This record gives sequence, structure tokens and C-alpha cells, in this order.
Amino acid sequence: GDSVTQTEGQVALSEEDFLTIHCNYSASGYPALFWYVQYPGEGPQFLFRASRDKEKGSSRGFEATYDKGTTSFHLRKASVQESDSAVYYCALGDRGFASALTFGSGTKVIPCLP
Amino acid sequence: NAGVIQTPRHKVTGKGQEATLWCEPISGHSAVFWYRQTIVQGLEFLTYFRNQAPIDDSGMPKERFSAQMPNQSHSTLKIQSTQPQDSAVYLCASSRLGGGEQYFGPGTRLTVL
Repeated sequence: GDSVTQTEGQVALSEEDFLTIHCNYSASGYPALFWYVQYPGEGPQFLFRASRDKEKGSSRGFEATYDKGTTSFHLRKASVQESDSAVYYCALGDRGFASALTFGSGTKVIPCLP
Repeated sequence: NAGVIQTPRHKVTGKGQEATLWCEPISGHSAVFWYRQTIVQGLEFLTYFRNQAPIDDSGMPKERFSAQMPNQSHSTLKIQSTQPQDSAVYLCASSRLGGGEQYFGPGTRLTVL
């Protein structure tokens, strides 16, 4: 079946550091890829999506580029802030129709004071 | 836009009791999803409705779990004879039919003693 792998369970970094969270996927078809962010006590919030190879999604300073060749959709942010403290989930789903999302295991981002 | 509404936010049941969780999707969204979130298993898909019709329940445990969507404004997830391993946050999400992002509610935290 389809699957999403996030290798980092937790990332601690200083404020204003560059953030990268790795996401790789395995799918039988050509999926849409998503990033969600979850704050304590809340449900996951949609961050952005990409549906085609080489398409870049972005929101709130975060971005990721769909790479079909390496089956990746890595999340990046140039300068992390304290308010970015949350758990980030990569997910895949159908491109054209509403469908169940398959989520990665999540990556907790912990910004520390410099 | 009120977003997806889930009630109750917290529910505590004794082992063997029944739990019913409610979800009100965003108005105009015709696809409704249920997920379960635990520390160990993460976010798991349970079931999905399209225009109130059940489409995919491949993630639902075959016994004790059932879901319904009697009208376009609400869906329920019922767990009979709850067990401690059912303790989790149950999340409801809705989306438009044409794919795209799902919008999640705040979840119901179920604790089975």
C-alpha cells in the first residue's frame, strides 16, 4: 500500500535557523502531496499541497517541491521562529478526487532561543 | 465559517460502555472523513463518506466500530463495548469532492478506563 516516511521524529534548532524536514513517499499511482501542521490540542491544519512533478507549494514561509524522481516532498523554511513550534505531517492522497490521506509519522519542531 | 465541529471534546467511558462521537462538517463540503490519532500508531484513516454515502471503511476495526451520516450536516462514529485500546483522539475532516485539502476538527479525546 501507499506510505509516507518522515525520518526525523524531532528537530531542535535555534530561532532563525534554516529548517528542513524530510518526506519521502511510496505510491502505486501519481498522488497529490500535502503538508499539515498540528498545534497542541488542535486538529491538523492544512499548510499547502502540490499535485504535479516539480510543482512548488508554499505558505507562511514554508515551502516544498514535488519531486517524482526522488519521490520526495521535503519541507523547508529559511528562518524558523518560536511560533513554528508544532508537529508537521507530510501526507499523500488522490489528485483528482476526495480520498483518504496517508500520513507520515510526524516531525516535532522545537525552536530554541539562540 | 465555523470550521469542522466535533462534540464532545473529551469523553471518558468505562470498559464495555458505548461511546458516540459527533461531527458537523463545513457547510458545502460533501466528503467527510474519520481518523484516529494515537502516540503509537499516529494518524490512521478509519472511514469516508461522499454525499452521505459510505465509500471506504477499510480502516475501521471490523467489530464494535460503526459510522453513519444521516444527513449532510452531521456524521457519527459509534464504538460499542469500548476497550482501553480504543483510547485515542478521534478526528473528523471534511473537504470538497474534487479533491484537495481536508479541514480537520479539533478532535474528540476518548479515554476508556
